[in-house]
Amino acid sequence: KQEVTQIPAALSVPEGENLVLNCSFTDSAIYNLQWFRQDPGKGLTSLLLIQSSQREQTSGRLNASLDKSSGRSTLYIAASQPGDSATYLCALPYGGATNKLIFGTGTLLAVQP
Amino acid sequence: GAVVSQHPSRVICKSGTSVKIECRSLDFQATTMFWYRQFPKQSLMLMATSNEGSKATYEQGVEKDKFLINHASLTLSTLTVTSAHPEDSSFYICSAIGLAGDYEQYFGPGTRLTVT
Repeated sequence: KQEVTQIPAALSVPEGENLVLNCSFTDSAIYNLQWFRQDPGKGLTSLLLIQSSQREQTSGRLNASLDKSSGRSTLYIAASQPGDSATYLCALPYGGATNKLIFGTGTLLAVQP
Repeated sequence: GAVVSQHPSRVICKSGTSVKIECRSLDFQATTMFWYRQFPKQSLMLMATSNEGSKATYEQGVEKDKFLINHASLTLSTLTVTSAHPEDSSFYICSAIGLAGDYEQYFGPGTRLTVT
């Protein structure tokens, strides 16, 4: 059974700092991995999707990497801003299907001005 | 593009009543929609998969008679919480996948249900 864990559960950093969020999964046979952002009381915003054949994806100040063999993905945020404060979730397909998602436990990020 | 809406955004109902939540794909047709539930400070848990024109597939532990799902068109799925109880209070989020087979899911803004 696929299990997805995110460390740390919460993180507080000063503005401008670079940071890394971690996502670990137990079953390396994945189709893709997706990172989302969730603001309090809101839905999800998709940040990056990495296909299983890719090692990383970049969008602006965000860079996500994927290492299937070790069951890990990282989300790197450069030059963090207070507006980056949110919960970050990783998710990946499970159960043999390519579109049913299992979500990680989430990392609550607070960027202090 | 790829916008998903939910209505209502917030609903309060009395215990024992039923409440319907709508999920719409605004600018694309969705063959498949998903319904998730999120309790405070927890991650999203998949409740069911909704396919247009067929019965929904429920995850283990989710009561299909309590959470009725209808996917009558390629742009609308509804979740009805029947005989709601306070423990059903949660944040319900839907997502949709387009016809092109793009496996990326597009999420709605969520519905906060409070049962008093």
